[in-house]
Amino acid sequence: TAGITQAPTSQILAAGRSMTLRCTQDMRHNAMYWYRQDLGLGLRLIHYSNTAGTTGKGEVPDGYSVSRANTDDFPLTLASAVPSQTSVYFCASSDESGGAKETQYFGPGTRLLVL
Amino acid sequence: GQNIDQPTEMTATEGAIVQINCTYQTSGFNGLFWYQQHAGEAPTFLSYNVLDGLEEKGRFSSFLSRSKGYSYLLLKELQMKDSASYLCAVYDSNYQLIWGAGTKLIIKP
Repeated sequence: TAGITQAPTSQILAAGRSMTLRCTQDMRHNAMYWYRQDLGLGLRLIHYSNTAGTTGKGEVPDGYSVSRANTDDFPLTLASAVPSQTSVYFCASSDESGGAKETQYFGPGTRLLVL
Repeated sequence: GQNIDQPTEMTATEGAIVQINCTYQTSGFNGLFWYQQHAGEAPTFLSYNVLDGLEEKGRFSSFLSRSKGYSYLLLKELQMKDSASYLCAVYDSNYQLIWGAGTKLIIKP
């Protein structure tokens, strides 16, 4: 199985432009997450979705939006990119059992440079 | 606030043993994870502890003491391919995963 795929692998984006980062999982996991990872900092949660049709804000949601129309896909949109959004973006997913979330599995990441 | 502390960088010798420590202060506890992340790659799951004690998985072991808010990852018979960052993460009472900044492990021949 592919697990989690992300696209694009990398992107250079002009400030002010919009962009959608794509994430698809084939593990039928309930929960999905978007993180950003910056040098010297831990993974920071941007948005999450516990199940299809619901989304929630994480630690650093400003400037980002998400949707969860179905179980498999969880796109992340930057409406108007700024240089501080230069980062590596990871999508992850986890199953849920009896209300308890399980191990998170990660996609390969998208490296975004905003100029 | 919620916080996870781990050393920024450690150096060890090929064939040796290294212990990477992690201390946490979180609102509740629903499990602790260790992930490995090679440079330029995604984090990959290594181990999970929810009860006190030692979990062994091949060359890697992970220990948890909930009363002390402490865990360590023990890597034995180090290989060059073990050069990576090791991330500690804790599920809090709301099942939000709180991440440490990671420990960069450098293996020398």
